[in-house]
Amino acid sequence: EAGVTQFPSHSVIEKGQTVTLRCDPISGHDNLYWYRRVMGKEIKFLLHFVKESKQDESGMPNNRFLAERTGGTYSTLKVQPAELEDSGVYFCASSQDGILAGGSFSSYNSPLHFGNGTRLTVT
Amino acid sequence: DAKTTQPTSMDCAEGRAANLPCNHSTISGNEYVYWYRQIHSQGPQYIIHGLKNNETNEMASLIITEDRKSSTLILPHATLRDTAVYYCIVRVLNSGNTPLVFGKGTRLSVIA
Repeated sequence: EAGVTQFPSHSVIEKGQTVTLRCDPISGHDNLYWYRRVMGKEIKFLLHFVKESKQDESGMPNNRFLAERTGGTYSTLKVQPAELEDSGVYFCASSQDGILAGGSFSSYNSPLHFGNGTRLTVT
Repeated sequence: DAKTTQPTSMDCAEGRAANLPCNHSTISGNEYVYWYRQIHSQGPQYIIHGLKNNETNEMASLIITEDRKSSTLILPHATLRDTAVYYCIVRVLNSGNTPLVFGKGTRLSVIA
């Protein structure tokens, strides 16, 4: 099966410009996550979608960041306007979710599968 | 914040077993131990996970102590391509698939 794909692989923009990153999860994966690694720091969680709904967006740094997942398939992460400190690698991941009859989530702990990231450089 | 402690770096000779330790002394009964690695310029790669029993797959073995306060990831025959940063992560078993919290990891260098 195809893995998580991210586009573009690299992006160089000027401060104040807008950039949109795209993530295509593994087919059938309801869970989609965004992470980023800023230079010299650890990989940090940004947000989590379940299908098209935002389950957890506690890691989003500020309102310059907007994530969407219309239709519950691919997701976009827009940075507008970009600042110098936004430079880093943005990773997307997806995982399965066992939905039980009746609509409640299972407690199955399914691994996250990551894409190779988008390296964003803001100059 | 990450709930695990790992050595900053380790070396391993090519062809030998790499044993990567991890302390997670505050782990709860409903938390799994996950291992990921990140090879330079790639995304994190899932390796293995377990709750309390030892686990083995085609990539590695995971040994979890009986009290679950520590674990060891074993790469049985390390190759140069196993050079990477290895992350030990504790993840709660919960409805809705909780995110992973990454720490600093262990930088493993496999030496020819």
